[in-house]
Amino acid sequence: DAGVTQSPTHLIKTRGQQVTLRCSPKSGHDTVSWYQQALGQGPQFIFQYYEEEERQRGNFPDRFSGHQFPNYSSELNVNALLLGDSALYLCASSLEGRSSSGNTIYFGEGSWLTVV
Amino acid sequence: AQSVTQPDIHITVSEGASLELRCNYSYGATPYLFWYVQSPGQGLQLLLKYFSGDTLVQGIKGFEAEFKRSQSSFNLRKPSVHWSDAAEYFCAVGRGSLDSNYQLIWGAGTKLIIKP
Repeated sequence: DAGVTQSPTHLIKTRGQQVTLRCSPKSGHDTVSWYQQALGQGPQFIFQYYEEEERQRGNFPDRFSGHQFPNYSSELNVNALLLGDSALYLCASSLEGRSSSGNTIYFGEGSWLTVV
Repeated sequence: AQSVTQPDIHITVSEGASLELRCNYSYGATPYLFWYVQSPGQGLQLLLKYFSGDTLVQGIKGFEAEFKRSQSSFNLRKPSVHWSDAAEYFCAVGRGSLDSNYQLIWGAGTKLIIKP
C-alpha cells in the first residue's frame, strides 16, 4: 500500500519563475492538504482540497494555487517565486468521513524547493 | 488564535535515559492534539493523538503523552530512549471538524539529540 508520494524531491528555481509540485495521496484517501515548512520551523497550512475544490486556505498569497484531479492527486503551483518561498513543501492526505477515532493525516516526504 | 508552543528547541538525552518533550497549546475548545516525528528521508510520522477520553495516550515506538487541560499541555514521554529516536518532534493541534476537514497548527519543533 503506497503512502503519500510527492515529486520532485528537490528542485532549484530562480526568483520570478513558477513551480509545480505534485502529490499522490495514500490509497483510498480523497482529501489532500499542502503545508509549507521553512527551515527550523513547523509546517504552515497552505490549503486543502476535497472533491476537486479548495475547501480551506491558510494565510498564503494568491501566488499559491492548487488543483485536485478526479483521481484525488493534487498539484501545488507557486507563481512569481520569492527567495522566501524556499522551503520543504509537504503534501498530506486523509479520508473524508465520520470516524469515532478521527481521521489520521498522513504526510509525504516533501519537495525541497530552493529559490535563488 | 490557536497556537502551539514547544519551549525547547533542542534536547540532549543519554541513550537509555527517560525523555519528556514539552508542548503547550492555546485553543478555545476541546483540542485535538498530535505528536509527529520527522526524520530525514522519512517524512512526518504520527506518534500518537488525543481526541477525547483517557488523558494518557499510548503511541507507537514506546511513546506516550498526557493531556492536562488545566495546564494546556500535552507532553510527550518515553521511559528509555534509543539512538534511533534522534529526530525532530512536532506537537500540533487540529482545527476544524474532527471527521473531515481539520487542519494542523504546529509548534516549531524540538530536536532530540541522543548521547551514546
